Amino acid sequence: DTEVTQTPKHLVMGMTNKKSLKCEQHMGHRAMYWYKQKAKKPPELMFVYSYEKLSINESVPSRFSPECPNSSLLNLHLHALQPEDSALYLCASSQAQGDNSPLHFGNGTRLTVT
Amino acid sequence: QKEVEQNSGPLSVPEGAIASLNCTYSDRGSQSFFWYRQYSGKSPELIMSIYSNGDKEDGRFTAQLNKASQYVSLLIRDSQPSDSATYLCAVRSPPGSARQLTFGSGTQLTVLP
Repeated sequence: DTEVTQTPKHLVMGMTNKKSLKCEQHMGHRAMYWYKQKAKKPPELMFVYSYEKLSINESVPSRFSPECPNSSLLNLHLHALQPEDSALYLCASSQAQGDNSPLHFGNGTRLTVT
Repeated sequence: QKEVEQNSGPLSVPEGAIASLNCTYSDRGSQSFFWYRQYSGKSPELIMSIYSNGDKEDGRFTAQLNKASQYVSLLIRDSQPSDSATYLCAVRSPPGSARQLTFGSGTQLTVLP
């Protein structure tokens, strides 16, 4: 069982839809992350939140919009996506961004854009 | 130049053998190193963290770190078919940086019954 919970597990959306991915952790971690992973590739960092503030945006297109409502929750709002955005989206958390602690990943959301 | 490099494999070993997975990294100031296991279609699962030179053992897994050679490895003893997965080496960038986690490209391991 993972201590980072992501919903939904699967999502199919059209290019004109608006949807959101949700992530929740109750480990008291203060850093939360969004990663994107394509098949047979390593996870690719998208965003980092540290103490509920956006710390890193890896030049992600604006059709992806992150939000951190509180220290336990992280959302990723999706709008006008392209088929090439289909991937596994992973949320992760760590004790802090600036320390040596490992990242703990959620089970991911498998996104398909049609 | 890639910051974290792994033998991409695939690597096949017979059941009961030792599987050896290798990783090198470029940033000499890195202080924390991790191995993640990822089954097909699933998310990465942390299996080992190592911070000091030498060996760290956890059950059938041993992580080895050599900071002078910028090398970290994972040994899996008595390999089982359930160990068949992709193993990702990950390195935290050093203090004074954004402390991002950089992944290697992964090594696909198959344990043959």
